[in-house]
Amino acid sequence: ETGVTQTPRHLVMGMTNKKSLKCEQHLGHNAMYWYKQSAKKPLELMFVYSLEERVENNSVPSRFSPECPNSSHLFLHLHTLQPEDSALYLCASSSTHSGNTIYFGEGSWLTVV
Amino acid sequence: QKEVEQDPGPLSVPEGAIVSLNCTYSNSAFQYFMWYRQYSRKGPELLMYTYSSGNKEDGRFTAQVDKSSKYISLFIRDSQPSDSATYLCAMSGRTNFGNEKLTFGTGTRLTIIP
Repeated sequence: ETGVTQTPRHLVMGMTNKKSLKCEQHLGHNAMYWYKQSAKKPLELMFVYSLEERVENNSVPSRFSPECPNSSHLFLHLHTLQPEDSALYLCASSSTHSGNTIYFGEGSWLTVV
Repeated sequence: QKEVEQDPGPLSVPEGAIVSLNCTYSNSAFQYFMWYRQYSRKGPELLMYTYSSGNKEDGRFTAQVDKSSKYISLFIRDSQPSDSATYLCAMSGRTNFGNEKLTFGTGTRLTIIP
């Protein structure tokens, strides 16, 4: 079992749809992250939650809406996306006691048509 | 100027060769340095983690940090086809809420040819 689980692994959605990505971590960590990975670009940090409180929002468009109901679960709600939002969305988690290392899930491949 | 520069490759080497992967950075506040390996259609996995300047060895992998030159390297000895992946460097300073914000390179795509 991987420490960070993401569902769905693949998602195709139209520009008018509403969908959600889900992430669950089984590592007892207290911080969770959403990253976006596009071809030939560095990983882009989108949101950070520490102790279930959002501590960072890196100028992400409002069509992406995160939710962190508890320290083990993280959602990314998607609505009225654009084709350029097609990417791999990675969830990650870390602990203030594990140094500076973060642990990633397998990612959710999103295609916006 | 990007905070972290990494040659995207692709890099192809024959099996058994020594591989050298590198990143340069501009932010002198970076103190922690990591290498992640990402197989195709998978999430990145932590490979090496270093804090100070110098070398750290783990099996066939050696991570090297030169803070004076703002340069980090990952060496892979006796490379295997299973090492074929994208290698991402990452680094951080310290944030004000205790959890570190990582800055990533673009990743270098490596292929080991049998």
